[in-house]
Amino acid sequence: DGGITQSPKYLFRKEGQNVTLSCEQNLNHDAMYWYRQDPGQGLRLIYYSQIVNDFQKGDIAEGYSVSREKKESFPLTVTSAQKNPTAFYLCASSIWTYEAQYFGPGTRLTVL
Amino acid sequence: KNEVEQSPQNLTAQEGEFITINCSYSVGISALHWLQQHPGGGIVSLFMLSSGKKKHGRLIATINIQEKHSSLHITASHPRDSAVYICAVRGRKAAGNKLTFGGGTRVLVKP
Repeated sequence: DGGITQSPKYLFRKEGQNVTLSCEQNLNHDAMYWYRQDPGQGLRLIYYSQIVNDFQKGDIAEGYSVSREKKESFPLTVTSAQKNPTAFYLCASSIWTYEAQYFGPGTRLTVL
Repeated sequence: KNEVEQSPQNLTAQEGEFITINCSYSVGISALHWLQQHPGGGIVSLFMLSSGKKKHGRLIATINIQEKHSSLHITASHPRDSAVYICAVRGRKAAGNKLTFGGGTRVLVKP
């Protein structure tokens, strides 16, 4: 079955530690995205990538980093510089940036 | 003021009732998306539309580009329709085509 997987579903980390969230897709999509969702707020774009080895900052990129070494994978690192990292993180992909996005199941990150 | 506003924020309906969720936006767009987020957090894309009306099963989405307004209707609602419904707009090319999301409408359908 084609789709997007994110792992783990729940993640706990101590303050000051970097943590990497996984996102893999087997839909052969060129574009991939990372969003952050906070309670009562709309999704906000962290980073997006339109093609392998290229990525762009979204609206709230500070404190985050990404890589796109393979078409299928777009990992997100939440660094210690991110002031409020506790949130629900969603990865998405689309055939290209103008098309409907398919979302992964999300990772809920809690920083203690 | 947010670029994308949804109303109501919360909605409770009895099974079988007709439900309408509204989305207003203030920017020029190339497309509008309706998404459904279940309690577990996963998001499903319901519709992408740039004009007129689309129907899928008991769901109907309409958009009025001149009025910058879209509605999502659920006919004969069922408890399994309980979810958060999210409106998102895609800016025009000059805006980088990024999606801007509304805050969502939480729908609860009681049996």
